[in-house]
Parts: sequence; C-alpha cells; structure tokens
Amino acid sequence: DIVMTQGALPNPVPSGESASITCRSSKSLVYKDGKTYLNWFLQRPGQSPQLLTYWTSTRASGVSERFSGSGSGTYFTLKISRVRAEDAGVYYCQQVREYPLTFGSGTKLEIK
Amino acid sequence: EVQLVESGGGLVQPGRSLKLSCAASGFTFSNYGMHWIRQAPTKGLEWVASISPSGGSTYYRDSVKGRFTISRDNAKSTLYLQMDSLRSEDTATYYCATDTYDYWGQGVMVTVSS
Repeated sequence: DIVMTQGALPNPVPSGESASITCRSSKSLVYKDGKTYLNWFLQRPGQSPQLLTYWTSTRASGVSERFSGSGSGTYFTLKISRVRAEDAGVYYCQQVREYPLTFGSGTKLEIK
Repeated sequence: EVQLVESGGGLVQPGRSLKLSCAASGFTFSNYGMHWIRQAPTKGLEWVASISPSGGSTYYRDSVKGRFTISRDNAKSTLYLQMDSLRSEDTATYYCATDTYDYWGQGVMVTVSS
C-alpha cells in the first residue's frame, strides 16, 4: 500500500498569513498517462470533507484561488494564502494512483 | 442540486450485519463511479470500497474484503454497502462520495458494540 505522510502546522496561524502543508508518498504518484494522482481535502468541524485540488494542482470547482497545490513524484505541498477563519479544519492528502486508495493522517489548521 | 443522502446506520452487535444506502439525486448517477469512505471517532479518513459506473468493477480495502459488498442500482440512483460480520473496529461515520470526490453525503454513523 502507498503510505501518505503529512507534516504539521505551527498552530495557530495568524489570520492573513500563509500556511503550507506538506504530504509525502511512499511511491511515485505519476501514472502512465503522465498525470499525478494526488488530491487535497479540507474537513471543517462537523462537516463532510470538501475536495480542494486534484491532479496535484488543479483546483476543484468553486475553490478559492488562495488554495494552491504543487509538487511532483512523491512530495507535495498545499499552500493557503491569506488564511481566514473559514479555512480552519483538518486537511488531508490522498493518493488515487492505485488501490487501495490511501489518505494522509490529516493536518489541523487553527486560525488566530 | 446534487444530493447524496446516506441511511441505514445504527448500533449493531459484533458479528451481525447492516446495509447502508446512499440515495443520489441532481446528477446522472449511472455516469459516475462511487466510493464509500469512513471515519472512526476522532480519527482520519479511510477509504473502504469503490464501484465502477456500471457496477462491473469493485474494489475493497483488505480489512473489509470478504465481509463488505459494495453494489449499486442505477435505476434507483442508489449505492449500497452490505456489511457482514461486523467488528468493533468498523465503528465509524460512513460517507458515500462520487468518484471525482466533488460530492459527498453527510455521513451515517455505524456503531458496533455489544
């Protein structure tokens, strides 16, 4: 199975600052079609997860430009610019390159 | 408006069965593969099973293989998860989601306890 390892954040993050979350996979997430199959989700307290980005860096419909995904191979980053109170929650990376699909353990973002 | 509504959760004894449903509306259900994803209390997300749009292909995590069965009825726009031989470690909120993860249900709680 592909293991996904997420980094922590120096919480709380002051409102208006930027925050970057790292995610590392135990195997390259590049598929034979050339795409890199890495998703990012945000789960706000008491809510279902929300897709933020897919294929590493493509923002999902309706997602703010303040969220940007980057990376390649086995190392990925989600950057949140000018954080707001509504960005608080737990962020998860997920590999969808192969089954079993696996998530990182989550990174909590608290806003000051 | 796209909606995914899970039902069928509850409290069940170890070794017993439960069947979850996920009713879809607002989109062409038969065009989408579907997932079941679960979250144990205070824990992270865990993929459980997936099914192709036609239902011809299914995938499971090892810990539920042979005990859980994912299925769908495209005529009813409904996804199912038959859970047999339930264990305490299956206790979680279960979410259904489209294969693109654009849409998720609100989740349904399953508690396995004597």
